[in-house]
Amino acid sequence: GIQVEQSPPDLILQEGANSTLRCNFSDSVNNLQWFHQNPWGQLINLFYIPSGTKQNGRLSATTVATERYSLLYISSSQTTDSGVYFCAVERGAGGTSYGKLTFGQGTILTVHP
Amino acid sequence: GAGVSQSPRYKVAKRGQDVALRCDPISGHVSLFWYQQALGQGPEFLTYFQNEAQLDKSGLPSDRFFAERPEGSVSTLKIQRTQQEDSAVYLCASSPDVFRRSRSGNTIYFGEGSWLTVV
Repeated sequence: GIQVEQSPPDLILQEGANSTLRCNFSDSVNNLQWFHQNPWGQLINLFYIPSGTKQNGRLSATTVATERYSLLYISSSQTTDSGVYFCAVERGAGGTSYGKLTFGQGTILTVHP
Repeated sequence: GAGVSQSPRYKVAKRGQDVALRCDPISGHVSLFWYQQALGQGPEFLTYFQNEAQLDKSGLPSDRFFAERPEGSVSTLKIQRTQQEDSAVYLCASSPDVFRRSRSGNTIYFGEGSWLTVV
């Protein structure tokens, strides 16, 4: 099956710093999503981004599908950004997907005040 | 409802006991998924429903695991004769559409999970 690798595994920041999280995947995908898992276990969808660039406030993401990687940028980090960030992909068939995601191991982000 | 609701939030089961975990998806959502998340790992796919039809159960780890969605809304994941390796968080997720390609994609909404500990 498809392999998903995330880096770094752990990241510690001071409030206000910027960071970049990376996701490499082993095969072409037609579904790629970034999630944030908060300390209570809730997974929140941040971006659906199988290709291209999107921005939402202090977060942005870029996926270069031809080179099989995606980046999540966090600017001006806040303590509430702490948690685990997951990249998840779906290879799909015939150009479609239905949500059977393969997750990476995650990046644990800790933001100190 | 406003979000995906799961119950119980926490369950401690004795080894060999049967457990049932419930998921209430977002109203009107066609697709429903179950994922298993072990401590320190990413979630792993268990099974997928489109309305009441279970179209993919390739991730269920053994025949002790059974899922149903009889009326196309609420779903139950049942684990028979629980074992210690079943200890994990069981996440339910739903999405509004099926096999759709669009700029917004097939956004998946997760519940907070049911934390199962088998002792």
